[in-house]
Amino acid sequence: SQKIEQNSEALNIQEGKTATLTCNYTNYSPAYLQWYRQDPGRGPVFLLLIRENEKEKRKERLKVTFDTTLKQSLFHITASQPADSATYLCALVGNFNKFYFGSGTKLNVKP
Amino acid sequence: GAVVSQHPSRVICKSGTSVKIECRSLDFQATTMFWYRQFPKQSLMLMATSNEGSKATYEQGVEKDKFLINHASLTLSTLTVTSAHPEDSSFYICSALFRNTEAFFGQGTRLTVV
Repeated sequence: SQKIEQNSEALNIQEGKTATLTCNYTNYSPAYLQWYRQDPGRGPVFLLLIRENEKEKRKERLKVTFDTTLKQSLFHITASQPADSATYLCALVGNFNKFYFGSGTKLNVKP
Repeated sequence: GAVVSQHPSRVICKSGTSVKIECRSLDFQATTMFWYRQFPKQSLMLMATSNEGSKATYEQGVEKDKFLINHASLTLSTLTVTSAHPEDSSFYICSALFRNTEAFFGQGTRLTVV
């Protein structure tokens, strides 16, 4: 079965710095990968989608890369702000559009 | 973006009773909806795929008689936890597929079985 790994340890960074989160996967070749933000007690919110034939995708301060050879996606938040503090989930989309999520990485941006 | 509404946001029920959770896509039609369960500090675990007009597809290890799913219309899917027990206490989240690519999530339902 597919396995999706995200760093379980919280990432603590200073405001203004770039946060980089990692998503690694095995036993799978997804057509695309997505990143979501989840705040405590809330459902995930869609951020970005990147397809297998795309190397990089940007949206405002967010950037996602997708390396199908390494089976890895990196999620960057530039000029980070305390409001960016949340848990970030990567999701692989499988057959029949089933979404499989990593356990998420908690980001803490300190002012 | 598309909006998915989940209701109720919190429910407390007695052991042995059944609880129904609703998931509605408010401004789009969703032929496919998904139900997830999430334990504290853990990932979303896909429970089942709900398809409008047909039977739900359950993931391995999920009891279909325990978690009844009905997707009666293009905007509504329901999850009924039958004969709930304390171990069913969890955070349940639904999502609806938009344009076959993006998943929009409901706010989640915190179920506590006492």
